[in-house]
Amino acid sequence: QQPVQSPQAVILREGEDAVINCSSSKALYSVHWYRQKHGEAPVFLMILLKGGEQKGHDKISASFNEKKQQSSLYLTASQLSYSGTYFCGTENAGNMLTFGGGTRLMVKP
Amino acid sequence: DAGVIQSPRHEVTEMGQEVTLRCKPISGHNSLFWYRQTMMRGLELLIYFNNNVPIDDSGMPEDRFSAKMPNASFSTLKIQPSEPRDSAVYFCASSLVLAGPNYEQYFGPGTRLTVT
Repeated sequence: QQPVQSPQAVILREGEDAVINCSSSKALYSVHWYRQKHGEAPVFLMILLKGGEQKGHDKISASFNEKKQQSSLYLTASQLSYSGTYFCGTENAGNMLTFGGGTRLMVKP
Repeated sequence: DAGVIQSPRHEVTEMGQEVTLRCKPISGHNSLFWYRQTMMRGLELLIYFNNNVPIDDSGMPEDRFSAKMPNASFSTLKIQPSEPRDSAVYFCASSLVLAGPNYEQYFGPGTRLTVT
């Protein structure tokens, strides 16, 4: 079952913040976040393991609520380089990732 | 260090023809994944290998698709016969580990397949 991402798309001005949500109907071992720029391959951002941890990577951070089977990606003070499509990948049993439908983020000057 | 290498980068073929996509994972990585990406279906896992052995091929759409990994540095995805609905970008990814905090998949540049 594919995780559900919201919103599907968001437009920001430089410096604004955004939150992207990812929810699953299945119990999760971990949640991965990837960013894909147009015409390029997905690039790994971070992984969150069971335990409700929060991680940060520059001004991009994420949280994982194991009980709710949800993860959120926080983009703070967005930059033009943040534009792209963000995917969450959920890991259930079997080490495989199931990717959500993606959230298209556009940051304008 | 070179990343995941895929070839060809673009392939245009006619319906009914055989198509072979190739992937060289990052040296030392023992897991390899094949994905297909389309606007309609998003990023789908087709099959993955661990130590050259296919672990899960439940995502392979039908018998027309087959994948092999004869050694640790090479994998192929074959479509025979190809159909227009197979048109997509096919990504290969590799990872060093399959669990834990260092589980990260490195994606290749993809092969854009167009079947006419």
